[in-house]
Amino acid sequence: RKEVEQDPGPFNVPEGATVAFNCTYSNSASQSFFWYRQDCRKEPKLLMSVYSSGNEDGRFTAQLNRASQYISLLIRDSKLSDSATYLCVVNHEAGNQFYFGTGTSLTVIP
Amino acid sequence: EAQVTQNPRYLITVTGKKLTVTCSQNMNHEYMSWYRQDPGLGLRQIYYSMNVEVTDKGDVPEGYKVSRKEKRNFPLILESPSPNQTSLYFCASSLSWDYNSPLHFGNGTRLTVT
Repeated sequence: RKEVEQDPGPFNVPEGATVAFNCTYSNSASQSFFWYRQDCRKEPKLLMSVYSSGNEDGRFTAQLNRASQYISLLIRDSKLSDSATYLCVVNHEAGNQFYFGTGTSLTVIP
Repeated sequence: EAQVTQNPRYLITVTGKKLTVTCSQNMNHEYMSWYRQDPGLGLRQIYYSMNVEVTDKGDVPEGYKVSRKEKRNFPLILESPSPNQTSLYFCASSLSWDYNSPLHFGNGTRLTVT
């Protein structure tokens, strides 16, 4: 079983739409959770960390559900510039490995 | 500017010819790591380092070597590259090995081995 699993999509949504991605992780001892954004052939960039109580950054909201072992990312009022691949990242042991999902592709359509 | 710098950005080489991809960070980060990214497989960790002179294998270490002689540098060495090492490589660093320290990535090295 993979450490981290994501629906690869693609998600094609119109501008202004709300879209949500989920990511499941297999290790219940996981401690750190992040969402990254990756544009085609470029390096992943941190979008936001995910905290236990959930957190929001502008149009982006991240949530953590430890009982069901998933994290989610909600994007409100989608912009064309949100088109990218979104990666979830999990670290379940300090000083150890980071595990990446394979990414969810989002295209925002005019 | 705080950054992780990888070189070269693009590299085409032949089977068996030793090569080194350099990685340097100017943020005084303790943790550094190398990843390869392949279609459908996502990012997979090759090696990581929690601090100077401390390195450990990731998920796919075969065919690679690393060293961490200085805090800022973490080169990736392919002693005898093979075509299955053709991939997009990323170096990343993190402030510490503690929880909730996110990774900062270099801008990648696209390697082709013929």
